[in-house]
Amino acid sequence: DVKVTQSSRYLVKRTGEKVFLECVQDMDHENMFWYRQDPGLGLRLIYFSYDVKMKEKGDIPEGYSVSREKKERFSLILESASTNQTSMYLCASRLLGAWQPQHFGDGTRLSIL
Amino acid sequence: QKEVEQDPGPLSVPEGAIVSLNCTYSNSAFQYFMWYRQYSRKGPELLMYTYSSGNKEDGRFTAQVDKSSKYISLFIRDSQPSDSATYLCAMSAGAGGTSYGKLTFGQGTILTVHP
Repeated sequence: DVKVTQSSRYLVKRTGEKVFLECVQDMDHENMFWYRQDPGLGLRLIYFSYDVKMKEKGDIPEGYSVSREKKERFSLILESASTNQTSMYLCASRLLGAWQPQHFGDGTRLSIL
Repeated sequence: QKEVEQDPGPLSVPEGAIVSLNCTYSNSAFQYFMWYRQYSRKGPELLMYTYSSGNKEDGRFTAQVDKSSKYISLFIRDSQPSDSATYLCAMSAGAGGTSYGKLTFGQGTILTVHP
């Protein structure tokens, strides 16, 4: 079974802090994704990475950056956290190929105070 | 207009009922279709994956795709309380330009199956 693990289930940070969300997958998947999920807005793609050190902006990249130094790990960085970044953050991965389904972690519920 | 429309519900049915969940879409380039199930405080779990028009069955679940009408459905037979969750449809056009097979999701339908 595919296993996508997000390091924290719940996180509380303060406005202006730099925040790191970590995601690890154990299935040697080439592609990895970061989404946020908000009521009424559904899932929105922040960034994705199609291989190590490769990244591409999604629909809502403003205020975020990413890092992928190793194939199994994909990090989302909030450069200076703001209250409107309070959300559920979901990481996903898939095998190389646009037709491949994505597999999700259990999410990190982030609150910015 | 959203590319993918899904009735958010909520939908409440008695145990044993047949449930029908639906999504419509406007982008005729979509060719890969998925249904995800998301329990409260968990991530989406892949339930069904199809890439052609027609039906695909897996146990109590049947996914149906009608590309001519741009309409997909998920049927749940003999529904159980453990089926209570949010169901998300998702679809992809495959690779093209820089899309890298971006998934477009519906809003999700909240389903409750009561004993």
